[in-house]
Amino acid sequence: NAGVTQTPKFRILKIGQSMTLQCTQDMNHNYMYWYRQDPGMGLKLIYYSVGAGITDKGEVPNGYNVSRSTTEDFPLRLELAAPSQTSVYFCASSYSGGGHQPQHFGDGTRLSIL
Amino acid sequence: GEDVEQSLFLSVREGDSSVINCTYTDSSSTYLYWYKQEPGAGLQLLTYIFSNMDMKQDQRLTVLLNKKDKHLSLRIADTQTGDSAIYFCATRLTGGGNKLTFGTGTQLKVEL
Repeated sequence: NAGVTQTPKFRILKIGQSMTLQCTQDMNHNYMYWYRQDPGMGLKLIYYSVGAGITDKGEVPNGYNVSRSTTEDFPLRLELAAPSQTSVYFCASSYSGGGHQPQHFGDGTRLSIL
Repeated sequence: GEDVEQSLFLSVREGDSSVINCTYTDSSSTYLYWYKQEPGAGLQLLTYIFSNMDMKQDQRLTVLLNKKDKHLSLRIADTQTGDSAIYFCATRLTGGGNKLTFGTGTQLKVEL
């Protein structure tokens, strides 16, 4: 059971480049999330989705875009990469939003913008 | 919005108990979670407590919730070197969907 899979694991980008961080889950979860983790900080929510075709902004959405065309996939797009976007990015999923529905996390993508 | 605070570091000797503390600001937090992050890995759910509970025990883990003081703690009994990791407290608000607010994480170092 793969759970939540993120690719790539590491990436170095130049300022102004764009890229897509991939996230896929095989648990048939409705809810999916993107977080960023900066050193000494907790995770901050970038975007989330409650189902295919539905996305919404989190706490720190500026500079990012998402789409959710299928239940399984939730890619995160960086346009015009900036040094402030150097971070570790985590994708997570959960079955739904009701009751105790723990979020399951991928192993992260470590992104450096130089 | 919700603010979740944790101390950054804790060092204990192997075999001792570890207590990791967390404070939060929003009294409408319904579920409160503890996640563990090992180096280079994602977050792994350790345990959780619902807001109508004061305590929950799960093998070596004991969670205590003081709603009056908005204080959550995680006690790890007989701490082992394999427990060395970063521990995150996270809260979920009423009506917040399943969005979580995370603390800064506490780095636990277990020394021999």
